[in-house]
Amino acid sequence: GQNIDQPTEMTATEGAIVQINCTYQTSGFNGLFWYQQHAGEAPTFLSYNVLDGLEEKGRFSSFLSRSKGYSYLLLKELQMKDSASYLCAVMDSNYQLIWGAGTKLIIKP
Amino acid sequence: SAVISQKPSRDICQRGTSLTIQCQVDSQVTMMFWYRQQPGQSLTLIATANQGSEATYESGFVIDKFPISRPNLTFSTLTVSNMSPEDSSIYLCSVVSGREGISSYNEQFFGPGTRLTVL
Repeated sequence: GQNIDQPTEMTATEGAIVQINCTYQTSGFNGLFWYQQHAGEAPTFLSYNVLDGLEEKGRFSSFLSRSKGYSYLLLKELQMKDSASYLCAVMDSNYQLIWGAGTKLIIKP
Repeated sequence: SAVISQKPSRDICQRGTSLTIQCQVDSQVTMMFWYRQQPGQSLTLIATANQGSEATYESGFVIDKFPISRPNLTFSTLTVSNMSPEDSSIYLCSVVSGREGISSYNEQFFGPGTRLTVL
């Protein structure tokens, strides 16, 4: 079967760095996405990785290792507004998105 | 990018009634998706709606319960029929739009969602 695993909840301190991991097992691979979702709102796109390595975009970076079926989202200089759920999703061989359950990130002052 | 609007944004309905949710996109898109997100959970795909063909439903979802229309490339509706409290959820419309560039890929955009409460 297809499976996406990520931690349910994480807590970090304002100004610090946090890494949210995602492991996946899917039938085929056409890219991995990270989305941010604030409570009561729709998900918004953060990043896309299809090749191995690190993609940096401001305070956010995303890493992919296809051989390990592993990705992480790195958030630097955390701000209170970063408190949200972070969803990992993999596009399979049918170009369907398989969604993880999301990681709820709590930022403390 | 694609801008998506949904109506209604929220509704409270009685058991046994039906609600139709509308999704409007500001550009023509081939594939539209309907998701459900129950409190504290991730997204569950209900069906994929392509213009000019029947919607494709995921396991656990049937057309009689969730009929979908896709009359053109910018609009779709999802009806939640014969509602029960278990249908209380956020319903999200989503589209895939190509993003060209150094690394071209298809990005999935979401509407603001419809928050449904069934009493």
